[in-house]
Amino acid sequence: AQSVTQLGSHVSVSEGALVLLRCNYSSSVPPYLFWYVQYPNQGLQLLLKYTSAATLVKGINGFEAEFKKSETSFHLTKPSAHMRDAAEYFCAVRKNYGGSQGNLIFGKGTKLSVKP
Amino acid sequence: SAVISQKPSRDICQRGTSLTIQCQVDSQVTMMFWYRQQPGQSLTLIATANQGSEATYESGFVIDKFPISRPNLTFSTLTVSNMSPEDSSIYLCSVVTGARGRNEQFFGPGTRLTVL
Repeated sequence: AQSVTQLGSHVSVSEGALVLLRCNYSSSVPPYLFWYVQYPNQGLQLLLKYTSAATLVKGINGFEAEFKKSETSFHLTKPSAHMRDAAEYFCAVRKNYGGSQGNLIFGKGTKLSVKP
Repeated sequence: SAVISQKPSRDICQRGTSLTIQCQVDSQVTMMFWYRQQPGQSLTLIATANQGSEATYESGFVIDKFPISRPNLTFSTLTVSNMSPEDSSIYLCSVVTGARGRNEQFFGPGTRLTVL
């Protein structure tokens, strides 16, 4: 069965600092992995996704994530944080590889705070 | 892409009553999903709603408690029945669009429900 674990429910960085949000997955099959962002009082927005192509995935707003099979990780990074990046970030894995679409399993989320 | 709207955006309800949440999509989609996000928790899939067939519920969710309608390819409703304070959550509608292998999942802004 697939699952994801996000390390750290809350991460705080200074503006301009590196952002690193951690996600580890568990999957018995090659996973499809996603990062979503949820700004206050808004719905989820897809940041990026890994679907077994390039291991380094670039997303919107300067975010990227690297799929590391040996570490079962899919950490989200951004070189320089901006105030507008303050939001909650969710890592997700597709439940059924090649099966039911949209059956995502989400991590518990990491709230990112950016200090001026 | 898909633009999803939900009504109501939030509501405060009394124990024992029911609330119907509406989800409208700006394009025709085959599969729609309903998720629940309890306070401080991750998103959990409630059910998959396909047009013209009965909704498929995940473990722990039953039709009597969360009846779903899917009258056409752009609209769905989720009813939270006989509510208790434990039902206080954000309920999100979601759709998948695009060709298989290149599809993307979109989420509505959510309905924030508080049960007193």
